Amino acid sequence: GEDVEQSLFLSVREGDSSVINCTYTDSSSTYLYWYKQEPGAGLQLLTYIFSNMDMKQDQRLTVLLNKKDKHLSLRIADTQTGDSAIYFCAESKNFNKFYFGSGTKLNVKP
Amino acid sequence: ETGVTQTPRHLVMGMTNKKSLKCEQHLGHNAMYWYKQSAKKPLELMFVYSLEERVENNSVPSRFSPECPNSSHLFLHLHTLQPEDSALYLCASSQELGRPGDGYTFGSGTRLTVV
Repeated sequence: GEDVEQSLFLSVREGDSSVINCTYTDSSSTYLYWYKQEPGAGLQLLTYIFSNMDMKQDQRLTVLLNKKDKHLSLRIADTQTGDSAIYFCAESKNFNKFYFGSGTKLNVKP
Repeated sequence: ETGVTQTPRHLVMGMTNKKSLKCEQHLGHNAMYWYKQSAKKPLELMFVYSLEERVENNSVPSRFSPECPNSSHLFLHLHTLQPEDSALYLCASSQELGRPGDGYTFGSGTRLTVV
C-alpha cells in the first residue's frame, strides 16, 4: 500500500523559518497536499502541488517537490505562534482516495 | 466555520450502545467521506459517497454503518463498538469525486470514546 511518512514533532522560535518534511512511496502520485489541523478543528487545505512541478510558492508558504527522491517539504517563512498546529502531508493518485501521513506537530515558541 | 458541520463534538458510549454521528454540508459538494483519526496514526479513509451512492468501503467492520440520505447529509451509525474504536471521526466533502485539486473541506470531527 501507499506510505506517507512525516516526523512527529518540530519546534521553532517565532520569526524563524519552519521546514516540515514528508516522504511518500507511490511514484505515480498525481497531487501532493499540505493540510493544517488546529486544535479542535478539522483539516484545512493549505496548498497543493502537481507532481510535474518542482516548487510552488504561496505567500509565506513554499512547497518543494523532489520527485526522484519522493520527498515533499513545506517551508513556512517568518513562523508565527498562530502557525502552531499539526501539518499533514497527503498524496493522491486514485481520485477516490487520499493517503495521509501521521502529521507533524509544529510548536512555535515566542 | 468550515462549511462542514459535525455533531456531536464529543461522544462517550458503552460497548453495547447504539449511537449515530451526523455530518452536514451546504457547500453544494457531491462527494462526502468519513475518516478515522487515531493518535499518532495516519488518517484512515472509511467510506466514500458520491451523489448519495457508496463508492468505497475501505474494509471497515460492520459495526460501523454509513448512511447518506441526500447529498448534504452523511451519518455514521455505531453499534457494539470496541475500545480501540475510540478516535476522532472526521467528515469531509469535495466538489466532485474526480477533482482532487480542489482538496477536501473537513469538519471539526467527533471525538468518540468507547468505554
